[in-house]
Amino acid sequence: EVQLVESGGDLIQPDRSLRLSCAASGFTFDEYAMHWVRQAPGKGLEWVSGINYISHVIGYADSVKGRFTISRDNAKNSLHLQMNSLRAEDTAFYYCARDATSISGNYLDSWGRGTLVSVSS
Amino acid sequence: DIQMTQSPSSLSASVGDRVTITCQASQDIKNYLNWYQKKPGTAPKVLIYGASNLETGVPSRFSGSGSGTHFSFTISSLQPEDFATYYCQQFASLPLTFGGGTKVEIK
Repeated sequence: EVQLVESGGDLIQPDRSLRLSCAASGFTFDEYAMHWVRQAPGKGLEWVSGINYISHVIGYADSVKGRFTISRDNAKNSLHLQMNSLRAEDTAFYYCARDATSISGNYLDSWGRGTLVSVSS
Repeated sequence: DIQMTQSPSSLSASVGDRVTITCQASQDIKNYLNWYQKKPGTAPKVLIYGASNLETGVPSRFSGSGSGTHFSFTISSLQPEDFATYYCQQFASLPLTFGGGTKVEIK
């Protein structure tokens, strides 16, 4: 069974840093691209960043570019999101998601339950 | 960036009703369109990928259609467990973008 478990969320002050992690199990981690998606309270889903299976960064949302860094450790089956210069608007549940490839295109086929980041002074 | 416009933003329906949600892309995304279900406190779940392909294990009452810029998502007979928020998402180009969501509520 595919499992993705996020951790690292916390209540943190603006301009501080936080590192999120996602532990993957139940599949061959180094065969899949991975993504971070967030949902602010009462808002919709927002893609944050993605990374391919050999650690080439797929991209970042404009809202986090230059502040967030995605990375992965295939030896440890883990995905990370380094979040610097945090702002109140970064407050959200952060989900890691697996990128599935099909002949009909890519989609996010497995998701974790999320970790809450709350940015407030 | 490709903008995804989803409508309606909310709807009220009864068990057994047929429900249709639409999603319009700001440019041609071919069939690179996915639909997700989100319930409070749970992880999002993919229902439809590639505009019309049913994800494994998803009930056949869910369906999707469309290509290019206009897409639709249908629940043929709404069940109690279907009350949730639904999102379209394009995977044609970066940044990946989601529609604003449609909250399906009990009438």
